[in-house]
This record gives sequence, C-alpha cells and structure tokens, in this order.
Amino acid sequence: EAGVTQSPTHLIKTRGQQVTLRCSPISGHTSVYWYQQALGLGLQFLLWYDEGEERNRGNFPPRFSGRQFPNYSSELNVNALELEDSALYLCASSLVPGGEGNTIYFGEGSWLTVV
Amino acid sequence: AQSVTQLDSQVPVFEEAPVELRCNYSSSVSVYLFWYVQYPNQGLQLLLKYLSGSTLVKGINGFEAEFNKSQTSFHLRKPSVHISDTAEYFCAVSPYSSASKIIFGSGTRLSIRP
Repeated sequence: EAGVTQSPTHLIKTRGQQVTLRCSPISGHTSVYWYQQALGLGLQFLLWYDEGEERNRGNFPPRFSGRQFPNYSSELNVNALELEDSALYLCASSLVPGGEGNTIYFGEGSWLTVV
Repeated sequence: AQSVTQLDSQVPVFEEAPVELRCNYSSSVSVYLFWYVQYPNQGLQLLLKYLSGSTLVKGINGFEAEFNKSQTSFHLRKPSVHISDTAEYFCAVSPYSSASKIIFGSGTRLSIRP
C-alpha cells in the first residue's frame, strides 16, 4: 500500500515568487496535514484539511494557503516567498479525525529553498 | 493545552550500547502518545504509539517506550543501538479529541559512535 506521497521533492525559488506543493494521502485517509520544518525550529503546524474543508490553521500568515480536492489530495500554496520560507514541508494524513488514536503518517517532504 | 518536552537535544551513544531518549508531557486531558523517527533527509516515520492498555509499547527496529502516567513521561529505549539508528527522534502527544492538535517535541538527535 502506498504511503503519503509528495511532489516535488526539491525545488528552488526566488524571493517574491509563488510555489505550489502537492500531497496524496494514504488510500482511505480523509484528513491531510501540512507542517513546516525549518532549520532549528522543529515541526510547525501549518494547516489541516478534512473532507475538502480547512479545519484548523497554525500561526502562519495568509500567504500560506491550500486546498483539498474531492479525491482527498491536497495542495499547499505559498505566495510572495521570503528567504525564511526555506524549509522542509511535510504532508501527513490520517483516517477520519480521531481514527486510529489520531495517528498521522508523514510523507518524505518537499525541500524548498528560497534564494 | 498540551506541551511536550524532550529533555535532551542531542544524545551521543556508542554502538551496541543501550539508549534512553526522554520525553515528558503535560496535559489537562487524556492524550495519545507517539514517537516518530526522522532519518537524514527523510520525512517522519512512526516508531510506536501508546493508545491504551499495556504501558510498555514495542515499536519497530527494536525500540520500546513506557508510558508513566504519574510522572507524565513516555521515554523511548533500545537495549543495543546500531549505526543505522542515527536519526532525529520526535515525541508527540495528541488529545483524544483531535489529531489536528498533535503537539511535537523539539526532537532529540541520536548519534551513534562506532
């Protein structure tokens, strides 16, 4: 069974540009989570989507946004990129909220470098 | 609200030695507990989890953790480590109510010396 898949794996963008990161959850999972892992800052919660709706949002500016599609895949969009957006962006998925004791499973991440 | 404290940011250990990575949490509600491992340049992989039942939980790669409710701890142990265990380890807690409120610790970097 395929795990959480993310694309692209690596990308380099210029400050001010926009980027879109993609995530496909484990088959049967309806919830998708996005995290930012910047150097030295640990895992920071960005967004949670379930059944196509944004359910919760971390402490990030509005230029971080996303959506979830009917097939439960998700996109994370970051506008007006800043140097400090350079990080590993991790997507995770879970069964219906509360399923499996709230266990979430991560993808391999997308490495974003802003220059 | 919940919080997680990983008491050691780095733990150097010799190969084949035992290791314990410490995790303490605080919460006003019942929680689930997790350990994740992140190998270099990879995503996070679930190592083990405590949902209920036996307080000693066994995970992958020979790791185990013990839930201690009175001390609000969930320490991770392995009796004999290998070079391949070199990674960052994250403790996490999630309230019964919602996976979206899962809180991660700051991580412990385990480095194995030959």
